[in-house]
Amino acid sequence: AQSVTQPDIHITVSEGASLELRCNYSYGATPYLFWYVQSPGQGLQLLLKYFSGDTLVQGIKGFEAEFKRSQSSFNLRKPSVHWSDAAEYFCAARNTGNQFYFGTGTSLTVIP
Amino acid sequence: DAGVTQSPTHLIKTRGQQVTLRCSPISGHKSVSWYQQVLGQGPQFIFQYYEKEERGRGNFPDRFSARQFPNYSSELNVNALLLGDSALYLCASSLGGQVNSPLHFGNGTRLTVT
Repeated sequence: AQSVTQPDIHITVSEGASLELRCNYSYGATPYLFWYVQSPGQGLQLLLKYFSGDTLVQGIKGFEAEFKRSQSSFNLRKPSVHWSDAAEYFCAARNTGNQFYFGTGTSLTVIP
Repeated sequence: DAGVTQSPTHLIKTRGQQVTLRCSPISGHKSVSWYQQVLGQGPQFIFQYYEKEERGRGNFPDRFSARQFPNYSSELNVNALLLGDSALYLCASSLGGQVNSPLHFGNGTRLTVT
């Protein structure tokens, strides 16, 4: 069965520091991978997506993610975190059907 | 352009009651999906509709049903509510038909069952 794992439940970083959020997927073929961000009381906003081609994908708000097939990973990165980045981050995978599988999320706290 | 809109934003129901949640997709989007997000968890897939037909169903009981209308809006119905149905219900729309279509989410309906 397809699944997405986000090993880190909560991460705290200082403003201006770099960030990496981990995501691992389990799927027989190359899935379609996504990162979403959710602010409190809000829906999910798409940060970036990977389908094929270049394994380093750029997204909105200065985020990027790298697909590594050998590690079944799709980690999200940002070189310098801003206080407004504090939110819940979800990694998701979509199979060739119509269903998205979401990880349990990583809560990001940014300290001044 | 308006995003995905959901109504109501908040709802309080009693165990055993029935509830209907509504969703209007982004203009031009023909696919609507419903997800349940329990506090502290990621969204769980409930249904997907494309061109008014059910195209996918998650592991939810038959108390959950949905439909899509000719204007592509959608309703999610939950019967015989249980305390465990308390969650944020998210509607998402996409162009549909292409596997690389990302989901665009509404802000959700917060359902509390007492």
